[in-house]
Amino acid sequence: KQEVTQIPAALSVPEGENLVLNCSFTDSAIYNLQWFRQDPGKGLTSLLLIQSSQREQTSGRLNASLDKSSGRSTLYIAASQPGDSATYLCAVRRGGADGLTFGKGTHLIIQP
Amino acid sequence: GAVVSQHPSRVICKSGTSVKIECRSLDFQATTMFWYRQFPKQSLMLMATSNEGSKATYEQGVEKDKFLINHASLTLSTLTVTSAHPEDSSFYICSARVGGSYNSPLHFGNGTRLTVT
Repeated sequence: KQEVTQIPAALSVPEGENLVLNCSFTDSAIYNLQWFRQDPGKGLTSLLLIQSSQREQTSGRLNASLDKSSGRSTLYIAASQPGDSATYLCAVRRGGADGLTFGKGTHLIIQP
Repeated sequence: GAVVSQHPSRVICKSGTSVKIECRSLDFQATTMFWYRQFPKQSLMLMATSNEGSKATYEQGVEKDKFLINHASLTLSTLTVTSAHPEDSSFYICSARVGGSYNSPLHFGNGTRLTVT
């Protein structure tokens, strides 16, 4: 059974810092990996999607990498801003037709 | 971008009653929708996969007779929690894949906070 772990569980940093969120998964046979942000009481916003054949994806200040063989992904956030405060979720899909297996998330606070 | 609308956002009901949650894809056709729930301080857990025009596939441990899923059209899936009990109180959220593309990201609704008293 696939298990997804996210470290750290919580992180609080001053505005402007670059930071890295970590995600690991136990079964490397994944179809793709997706990073989301979840704001309190809200749904999920898709940030980046990495296919199993890809090594990284970038969108603005966000960069996600994938090392499928070692079962790891990182989300890099450059020049953090208070608006980045949210819970960041990592999720993997076993097959193209399957749903996602989520980690518990990293609760991020960016201090102004 | 693809938008998934989920309604209601919050519902409080009495124990023993049934609650229906709707999930709509607003600007795309969703042949497949997924239903998740999230208990406090836990990760989102997949409950079932809903395919348009066919029966839903439930994950192990999810009672199909309690959580009725209907996906009658390409833009609407519903989850009905039947005879709800306090332990069913949770955050329920749906997601949809755009058309038949497995490589597309999954888009999520805003979720429904269910409280059973």
